Amino acid sequence: GENVEQHPSTLSVQEGDSAVIKCTYSDSASNYFPWYKQELGKRPQLIIDIRSNVGEKKDQRIAVTLNKTAKHFSLHITETQPEDSAVYFCAADSGGYQKVTFGTGTKLQVIP
Amino acid sequence: DAGITQSPRHKVTETGTPVTLRCHQTENHRYMYWYRQDPGHGLRLIHYSYGVKDTDKGEVSDGYSVSRSKTEDFLLTLESATSSQTSVYFCAIREQGLETQYFGPGTRLLVL
Repeated sequence: GENVEQHPSTLSVQEGDSAVIKCTYSDSASNYFPWYKQELGKRPQLIIDIRSNVGEKKDQRIAVTLNKTAKHFSLHITETQPEDSAVYFCAADSGGYQKVTFGTGTKLQVIP
Repeated sequence: DAGITQSPRHKVTETGTPVTLRCHQTENHRYMYWYRQDPGHGLRLIHYSYGVKDTDKGEVSDGYSVSRSKTEDFLLTLESATSSQTSVYFCAIREQGLETQYFGPGTRLLVL
């Protein structure tokens, strides 16, 4: 089955700096890659996603890049703010009812 | 947030007792999922449903059963709770034809 590895597990950045979280996947059939943000004690919420026919997608300060050949995708957050502090999960979806596999999460701390 | 609720939100129980968690949706989505979240493991799929009375196992299904007698309700049962089932449980829903999963608020379960 699919295996998703996520790095780093923790990340501290100064406010205003950029943060990058990287994920790799194993199943070449995966074609949808969502990113979720989970604040402390809250539910995971979708912040951005990308499909396999696109190499990059941006939404304000957040961007995701996908390299299908290398089977890796990354989340980029620019001009980080304290409210960006949370745990971020990547995931890979190879279709079907249940083919979503999540990474183990990255705890991002933005230091004011 | 998508119309998903979970009950109870918190529960403390003793080893060996049965426990049932409920997920309720008002979105009429076909697909429903149960995940558990543990430190270092991300979100792991327990069971999922692709319609009324249609369910299947995920990657960590041992010790758990599910039922879906109505579109809006998906029940997760721990037949005889063990301490290893102490976790945060999230329900998720997905609309047919779309990839994005939306999560419920979670249930924090402590098995003593």
